Amino acid sequence: NAGVTQTPKFQVLKTGQSMTLQCAQDMNHEYMSWYRQDPGMGLRLIHYSVGAGITDQGEVPNGYNVSRSTTEDFPLRLLSAAPSQTSVYFCASSRGTSGTDTQYFGPGTRLTVL
Amino acid sequence: KQEVTQIPAALSVPEGENLVLNCSFTDSAIYNLQWFRQDPGKGLTSLLLIQSSQREQTSGRLNASLDKSSGRSTLYIAASQPGDSATYLCAVRGVKAAGNKLTFGGGTRVLVKP
Repeated sequence: NAGVTQTPKFQVLKTGQSMTLQCAQDMNHEYMSWYRQDPGMGLRLIHYSVGAGITDQGEVPNGYNVSRSTTEDFPLRLLSAAPSQTSVYFCASSRGTSGTDTQYFGPGTRLTVL
Repeated sequence: KQEVTQIPAALSVPEGENLVLNCSFTDSAIYNLQWFRQDPGKGLTSLLLIQSSQREQTSGRLNASLDKSSGRSTLYIAASQPGDSATYLCAVRGVKAAGNKLTFGGGTRVLVKP
């Protein structure tokens, strides 16, 4: 049971480039989400999904797209990278959305946009 | 809007001393509160989840209490060890939050000196 996995671990992009951050979980969790972590800002929710085919915006969605075609995968796409998107990105999952559901986080992707 | 605060931002203790980490939140309408540990350059590891109906949760040397009416949670780590050195984050899932959104505090960076 690998839990939540993310690739790549590190990435450097130039302004305007696009890329996809991969996230997968093998726990058959319905709920998945993406956060970014910035110094002084804490972790902020970008997008989330309550199940395959269903996604919604979090508090900082601009510049990012997501899709959820399978229960296991929840990729995050940067459409045209900007220096303001330099951050550490974490994917998380939970069994559901009840008050007893622990959220599990992946190891993160450290992204630098030049 | 839910706000989560952790004071102090950093804490240094000698090995063997008990650790007391504080977390406060502004809106008491929550489903649960989670404590996480984050090692430098790593992801978040879930330590404890306390449901809104619970007063405390224990796991080994860790004990977390929750006083929802006053908007406070405390994480106690007994007999600290150098391996406990990390940043500890608390996060609340509010009733009014979209999806399974967690609102995080800024964290307390702990150093346990041998």
